Amino acid sequence: QKEVEQNSGPLSVPEGAIASLNCTYSDRGSQSFFWYRQYSGKSPELIMFIYSNGDKEDGRFTAQLNKASQYVSLLIRDSQPSDSATYLCAVRGYGGATNKLIFGTGTLLAVQP
Amino acid sequence: DVKVTQSSRYLVKRTGEKVFLECVQDMDHENMFWYRQDPGLGLRLIYFSYDVKMKEKGDIPEGYSVSREKKERFSLILESASTNQTSMYLCASSLWGDRVRETQYFGPGTRLLVL
Repeated sequence: QKEVEQNSGPLSVPEGAIASLNCTYSDRGSQSFFWYRQYSGKSPELIMFIYSNGDKEDGRFTAQLNKASQYVSLLIRDSQPSDSATYLCAVRGYGGATNKLIFGTGTLLAVQP
Repeated sequence: DVKVTQSSRYLVKRTGEKVFLECVQDMDHENMFWYRQDPGLGLRLIYFSYDVKMKEKGDIPEGYSVSREKKERFSLILESASTNQTSMYLCASSLWGDRVRETQYFGPGTRLLVL
């Protein structure tokens, strides 16, 4: 089992709809969770992170965390064509001398005009 | 704003060549990381460093070495490039401190082709 799993997609949504991106992780001791956006040929850029159970909102983006289910999601409201990108979920474990992140392979989102 | 820069956007090298990839950050971050990204495999950690002259192996260190002589600069070295090292290489940095909130910021990436 992969440590961080994401559906590779593509996830296709119409412009203006809500896009829902999901991520599951295997390490129950994981402490913090990050969502990065990566446009084709570019490097990942941080959207937001979450470390407490529940929802965290930032503009059109909402991250949701459920540690009991080992599940984190990203909702994008009012999706725009410019949101079309690969979304990477990253998880930080607990313990050790480093703050290593484990990345999922990403979900490709396509927002149709 | 955090700025992480990488020395080259694209590189073409021949098998057996020694390759240097440079990364510089201007935010006085203690931690620096080198990843490679391949289709279907995601980002994989090669090496990281949490202080000058300190280095730790990541998940796939074979065939690579690193150097950190100054806090702002972290170099990745391919001692003898091979075709299976063709990839996108990404450098990242983060500020040491809050273990939960610590965030990695990425450079633009170097796309390396080994012929």
